[in-house]
Amino acid sequence: DAKTTQPNSMESNEEEPVHLPCNHSTISGTDYIHWYRQLPSQGPEYVIHGLTSNVNNRMASLAIAEDRKSSTLILHRATLRDAAVYYCIPQMTGGFKTIFGAGTRLFVKA
Amino acid sequence: ETGVTQSPTHLIKTRGQQVTLRCSSQSGHNTVSWYQQALGQGPQFIFQYYREEENGRGNFPPRFSGLQFPNYSSELNVNALELDDSALYLCASSRDGSSYNEQFFGPGTRLTVL
Repeated sequence: DAKTTQPNSMESNEEEPVHLPCNHSTISGTDYIHWYRQLPSQGPEYVIHGLTSNVNNRMASLAIAEDRKSSTLILHRATLRDAAVYYCIPQMTGGFKTIFGAGTRLFVKA
Repeated sequence: ETGVTQSPTHLIKTRGQQVTLRCSSQSGHNTVSWYQQALGQGPQFIFQYYREEENGRGNFPPRFSGLQFPNYSSELNVNALELDDSALYLCASSRDGSSYNEQFFGPGTRLTVL
C-alpha cells in the first residue's frame, strides 16, 4: 500500500485559493489518486480523483506532478463550508481496500 | 435517490457485550465497506462486502464480522466488546466491488463501550 504524507493542518482566508499538498512517493503506476474530505460530524465525501493529468470538477482541481510522486488539491475560493479534514488516498483500480491517513485539517477564516 | 443511512446513531454498550450496526446502501450500489474511526484519526478499513460475499478485509480480528443481504444492505457485528472498540463506525456504498469507484458514506454510528 502506498504511503502518503500530508500537513497536519492548514489555514486559509475565506474567498482565497487553497493548495493542499500530498506526497505519495511510493505510489504504483496504476494507482489513482483520490481525495475525500470529512466535514465535522459527517462521513467522508468524495472530492476528486485522477491518474496522470490534471483534473477539474465543480468542487476542486487536482494537479498531479509529472513523476506522480505528489499531488495538490486546489480549492479555488475557500468558503467556511470547506473547513474539513482532507484525505489524499492512492487507490488501486480493482482494489477493495481504501487506506485513509491522518489527512490535513483545513481551517477557513472569515 | 436515497443516500446511505446507518442505524442506530448512537449506542452505549459494556465490555464483553455484542453489538450489531446496520447500513442501507445507496440505490443501485452492490458494494458496502465498513470503517472504524477513532477520535482524531482517519477511518480504518474493516472489510468490504460485494454481492453478499466478503470481498476483502483489513487488520481486524474475527470478532468483527459482517453480512450483506440480497437488497445490498449490510450489518457489522462485533462480539466480546473491548474498551478500544469505542469509535465512530462508518459504512460506505459503491458500485461493483472496487474501492476505486466513488464511495458514498453514511453519517456513522457512534459506539461507546464502558
